[in-house]
Amino acid sequence: EPEVTQTPSHQVTQMGQEVILRCVPISNHLYFYWYRQILGQKVEFLVSFYNNEISEKSEIFDDQFSVERPDGSNFTLKIRSTKLEDSAMYFCASSSDGGLGEQFFGPGTRLTVL
Amino acid sequence: SQELEQSPQSLIVQEGKNLTINCTSSKTLYGLYWYKQKYGEGLIFLMMLQKGGEEKSHEKITAKLDEKKQQSSLHITASQPSHAGIYLCGADSDTDKLIFGTGTRLQVFP
Repeated sequence: EPEVTQTPSHQVTQMGQEVILRCVPISNHLYFYWYRQILGQKVEFLVSFYNNEISEKSEIFDDQFSVERPDGSNFTLKIRSTKLEDSAMYFCASSSDGGLGEQFFGPGTRLTVL
Repeated sequence: SQELEQSPQSLIVQEGKNLTINCTSSKTLYGLYWYKQKYGEGLIFLMMLQKGGEEKSHEKITAKLDEKKQQSSLHITASQPSHAGIYLCGADSDTDKLIFGTGTRLQVFP
């Protein structure tokens, strides 16, 4: 069964460092998403991506964040200068139908900023 | 903005018991999703409901969207330890992003 994969599973970084979180969405999906979940809190939407551009972003997704689909398979989230409050679980999701169907979630990357 | 409230926040049941988790929206629901999350892991899709009054079942889990489309319930029959985890409801917003509820932590003891 096809699935969304994410690497690394856990990333530890120093405050101010850049991190890149990687995702491989399901191969025939066209809509891609990043969500995050701070420990003990709700899963929050960060950004959606379609047709090689951002279709929507939340207020959390400020200038420190960027997304890219560098090739036909990967979808990345970059945080330029990490802050302590960026520590969270980051989930990638993909969908074939945009707002009409299920979003398939990856297992997440746990980011710890020290 | 749309908010989803889940109740209860936490539930501890004995194996074999039935239980219900509720999800209430501040706005009309156009698509309601139930996911299960094991602690520290990803979200596993359970069911999607779109029509008022719609009910879906998978194994021992049944979910329903009420007629007014502002509340959904998830019912587990004869709970097992494998049902333990965090249950999240998610709703389609007016765009394609999902808004998630607060989560219900379920523990099932033998």
